[in-house]
Amino acid sequence: GAVVSQHPSWVICKSGTSVKIECRSLDFQATTMFWYRQFPKQSLMLMATSNEGSKATYEQGVEKDKFLINHASLTLSTLTVTSAHPEDSSFYICSARGQERYGYTFGSGTRLTVV
Amino acid sequence: GQSLEQPSEVTAVEGAIVQINCTYQTSGFYGLSWYQQHDGGAPTFLSYNALDGLEETGRFSSFLSRSDSYGYLLLQELQMKDSASYFCAVYSGGYQKVTFGTGTKLQVIP
Repeated sequence: GAVVSQHPSWVICKSGTSVKIECRSLDFQATTMFWYRQFPKQSLMLMATSNEGSKATYEQGVEKDKFLINHASLTLSTLTVTSAHPEDSSFYICSARGQERYGYTFGSGTRLTVV
Repeated sequence: GQSLEQPSEVTAVEGAIVQINCTYQTSGFYGLSWYQQHDGGAPTFLSYNALDGLEETGRFSSFLSRSDSYGYLLLQELQMKDSASYFCAVYSGGYQKVTFGTGTKLQVIP
């Protein structure tokens, strides 16, 4: 089945630094990938839709200058959290529509802790 | 906008049947899907309903009523490993947008 690989699985960074999270579709091409954020015991909140070769579409309330998304190839999308602050600490997870007809495949997620 | 409501927690006994409900308000509805997420893990796809009725996949079944903007996930012969969070999700915008519900934490007890 379709596999989405996400790295790193966890990262701790200092406040003010930037962190890049990678999301790769391993056995399929993904023209569209989605980035979510999930706080403990809460739902997945869609942050943005990443489109290969074009600008990402951000959800209302998500700062595009803070959460930079690049989708340079059909198998790779990256999310960069710039000038991270403790309130950015969360579980970030990507997804793509693989070979499943209606289901989306999720990466394993990245737990970001900003200290 | 989109909104989906689910019960926050459900507890059921191993071997029993449990139903998790989902009500939604959305525009451009394409279908309702269900995902399972264990603590610390990634969501995994369980089922999808585009039309009214019941879809069965092994021990799991999912139901949709478009006129009532309502669906449910039915889990039969519960096993301890079914303890997880279950999210309903609405597909809209030609499957290009997936909006998740509030999630239901299912605890299966012996």
